[in-house]
Amino acid sequence: KQEVTQIPAALSVPEGENLVLNCSFTDSAIYNLQWFRQDPGKGLTSLLLIQSSQREQTSGRLNASLDKSSGRSTLYIAASQPGDSATYLCAVISGNTGKLIFGQGTTLQVKP
Amino acid sequence: DAGITQSPRHKVTETGTPVTLRCHQTENHRYMYWYRQDPGHGLRLIHYSYGVKDTDKGEVSDGYSVSRSKTEDFLLTLESATSSQTSVYFCAISSGGLAGVWGSYNEQFFGPGTRLTVL
Repeated sequence: KQEVTQIPAALSVPEGENLVLNCSFTDSAIYNLQWFRQDPGKGLTSLLLIQSSQREQTSGRLNASLDKSSGRSTLYIAASQPGDSATYLCAVISGNTGKLIFGQGTTLQVKP
Repeated sequence: DAGITQSPRHKVTETGTPVTLRCHQTENHRYMYWYRQDPGHGLRLIHYSYGVKDTDKGEVSDGYSVSRSKTEDFLLTLESATSSQTSVYFCAISSGGLAGVWGSYNEQFFGPGTRLTVL
């Protein structure tokens, strides 16, 4: 059974820091991995999708990497800003239903 | 933003009453999903649909049913609501991969959520 773990559960950093969020999964037979952002009381916003054949994806200050063989993905946020404060979720697709299996998330606080 | 709406956005109901949540999309995507989000459990799949009238169960489907009579609408019904179904419900859509070629699977986009309280 696929399990997704995110470490740390919470993170607080001063503005301007570069930071890394970690995601690990137990079964390397995934199709894709997707990173989301969730603000309190809101829905999920898709940040990046990495297909299984890719090693990384970039969008603005965000860079996500994928190492299928080791069951790991990282989300790198450059020059963090208070507006980056949110919960970040990673999710993998494995199996043929297309369903996402989510980690518990990392709650990020960026202090001014 | 993907065109996904959910209704109602908030609902309070009593144990034993039926409840129907609606997800509407304007993207003409083939795949639609219902998830629930609970503290300590994260997001879990309830049911999904891979086409009109084509649905299947997810990991927490007990007590829920779904219907999809049109591409754009996916309904989630709680036949007899229980307090354990108090949760935030999210609908998601995806265009999906080519038939039988899941390696080209596309992004999932989520709706704004429905907060359901069962008293």
